[in-house]
Amino acid sequence: AQSVTQLDSQVPVFEEAPVELRCNYSSSVSVYLFWYVQYPNQGLQLLLKYLSGSTLVESINGFEAEFNKSQTSFHLRKPSVHISDTAEYFCAVTYTDKLIFGTGTRLQVFP
Amino acid sequence: DVKVTQSSRYLVKRTGEKVFLECVQDMDHENMFWYRQDPGLGLRLIYFSYDVKMKEKGDIPEGYSVSREKKERFSLILESASTNQTSMYLCASTNAGGRPYYGYTFGSGTRLTVV
Repeated sequence: AQSVTQLDSQVPVFEEAPVELRCNYSSSVSVYLFWYVQYPNQGLQLLLKYLSGSTLVESINGFEAEFNKSQTSFHLRKPSVHISDTAEYFCAVTYTDKLIFGTGTRLQVFP
Repeated sequence: DVKVTQSSRYLVKRTGEKVFLECVQDMDHENMFWYRQDPGLGLRLIYFSYDVKMKEKGDIPEGYSVSREKKERFSLILESASTNQTSMYLCASTNAGGRPYYGYTFGSGTRLTVV
């Protein structure tokens, strides 16, 4: 069965600093990969996804993630974070028709 | 804009009550899902459905049931609410196995407190 590991439960960072949220998955088959973001008291919103093609995918608010098949990783990065990026971030991988989620990483951005 | 709507943002219920959580999607999606979210545990799948009147157990179905009488509506039922069912409940939907694959669209969540 598929599994997703988010190695950091919390990531504190100062505003304008770079950040990387790590995600590793276990799979022996082709997968689709996703990052979702959850702002306080809201549902999950799709941030970006990898389906095929270029291994580097970007979101509209400056995040990017790179699919690395050999390392089975899909780390999320942003070169300069903003206070408004404070949220919980979930990595997910497809398994048949279901998504398997990691346990989440809480990103807290300090001024 | 496509939507998944959960009828209540916050609910408080008493132990032993029967609780209904409603979810409606307007995207004509075949697949619908119920998750609960707890700190440190991420999202855990309770039940899912690939079609009307069809349901499948997820990872933690005990104490829950579901109903899908219409394609757009997927209801989660707590037969006899208990305090350990206090949680955030998230509904999601997605298109079936056709391509492209869009991933899930989530509702805003229902935070249920059982006292």
